[in-house]
Amino acid sequence: NAGVTQTPKFRILKIGQSMTLQCTQDMNHNYMYWYRQDPGMGLKLIYYSVGAGITDKGEVPNGYNVSRSTTEDFPLRLELAAPSQTSVYFCATREGPREKLFFGSGTQLSVL
Amino acid sequence: AQSVTQPDIHITVSEGASLELRCNYSYGATPYLFWYVQSPGQGLQLLLKYFSGDTLVQGIKGFEAEFKRSQSSFNLRKPSVHWSDAAEYFCAVAPYNQGGKLIFGQGTELSVKP
Repeated sequence: NAGVTQTPKFRILKIGQSMTLQCTQDMNHNYMYWYRQDPGMGLKLIYYSVGAGITDKGEVPNGYNVSRSTTEDFPLRLELAAPSQTSVYFCATREGPREKLFFGSGTQLSVL
Repeated sequence: AQSVTQPDIHITVSEGASLELRCNYSYGATPYLFWYVQSPGQGLQLLLKYFSGDTLVQGIKGFEAEFKRSQSSFNLRKPSVHWSDAAEYFCAVAPYNQGGKLIFGQGTELSVKP
C-alpha cells in the first residue's frame, strides 16, 4: 500500500524553466492538496481538489497550475520558475473535511 | 481577512513543565480545527481535532486542546512536557463553508530544556 507518492524528491531548475510535480494516491481519497513549506513560514496552501474535475485556489496559487482528471492523480505545474518558488512541496490527501491528512514525502525544489 | 494565527514562533519550556500553544482563527462560522506536530525530518502527524460538542478534546501523546468560541481560539496544552515533545506544532483550520480547504498556521517551534 503506497499511500501518497510524490516525484521527484529533489529538483534544481533554472529561472524560466517549467516542470510538473507528480502526486499519486492509492487510498481513493477525494480530497487532495498541494502545500509549500518555507522555513519558519509553515505550510501554505497552493491548490486543492475535492474530487476529479474540481480544483480550487488556495492561499498562494500564483505561478502554479493543477489538474485533477482522475481520483488518483493531482499534478502541480510550475510555469516560468522563479527563485521565489524555491521551497519544499508537499502533496496531501484525506478522505473528507473532518479527516486527517496523509502526506507525501515532499519535493525539495531549488530555482537558481 | 480569514486567517489562522499562531502568535508564538518559538517557545522554550523545561522538561516536566506545563505547555500551552496558542492558536487563533478568524472565520465566520466555527470551522473544523486540528493540531499537527512535525518532528525534525519527519512528516506531519495529527495530534487531535475538533468539530463540535465537548470543547475540550483529548489527543495522542498526552495532548489536549480547548475550543473557545468567544475567543476564536483552539489552544493546545500538555500538563508535563517530555524532551521528545520538541518539535514544530501547527494549528490547522478547515473553514466550515469552503469545501475541503485546509489552512495551516505558521507554526510554533517548541524547545525543551533538560
